[in-house]
Amino acid sequence: GAVVSQHPSRVICKSGTSVKIECRSLDFQATTMFWYRQFPKQSLMLMATSNEGSKATYEQGVEKDKFLINHASLTLSTLTVTSAHPEDSSFYICSAGDSSWWVTQYFGPGTRLTVL
Amino acid sequence: DAKTTQPNSMESNEEEPVHLPCNHSTISGTDYIHWYRQLPSQGPEYVIHGLTSNVNNRMASLAIAEDRKSSTLILHRATLRDAAVYYCILTHQGGKLIFGQGTELSVKP
Repeated sequence: GAVVSQHPSRVICKSGTSVKIECRSLDFQATTMFWYRQFPKQSLMLMATSNEGSKATYEQGVEKDKFLINHASLTLSTLTVTSAHPEDSSFYICSAGDSSWWVTQYFGPGTRLTVL
Repeated sequence: DAKTTQPNSMESNEEEPVHLPCNHSTISGTDYIHWYRQLPSQGPEYVIHGLTSNVNNRMASLAIAEDRKSSTLILHRATLRDAAVYYCILTHQGGKLIFGQGTELSVKP
């Protein structure tokens, strides 16, 4: 199957700093990418949908100024957590799909963010 | 988006078949049934999907009820590596994946 990578896999930062997470599709062109977050023992929660070259669409309750998403190319989307606080500590997961993204999505391995 | 209902947890013995049920009584005619699984500390992994007919692939089989209000994911011979949370999700063209709580499958040696 298609491969999606995330970088970094784990990050620890101080409160108030910004953290950027990269999501790359390695062997296909991802017209649409999704960002999820997952707290311990909970399910994945969709944060936003990003389409290459256009602004991301955020789910209700997700602050777009806090979670900046850029999908500048067909193989790369980035999520920047701005002014991170301990409550932003979570497992962030991206997924990507081609033109039939609603049929099959390929997920990255996730990024564990810990804010001290 | 139509909702799915799954048992919170199931147990299986290694090398035995596992049948994971999913109820989706409000499914619409254009909804696809998707199954993903998530191993601990990893991103989800696509397992299988179908619309009306039963589907088989190298990982599993998907049995869909005739009225499409329920489906069953079948793992033919469970291994320890199949221990994961299994999610049954409905989507339609242009629809997003909305994850429920899923079924946590444990496999005993």
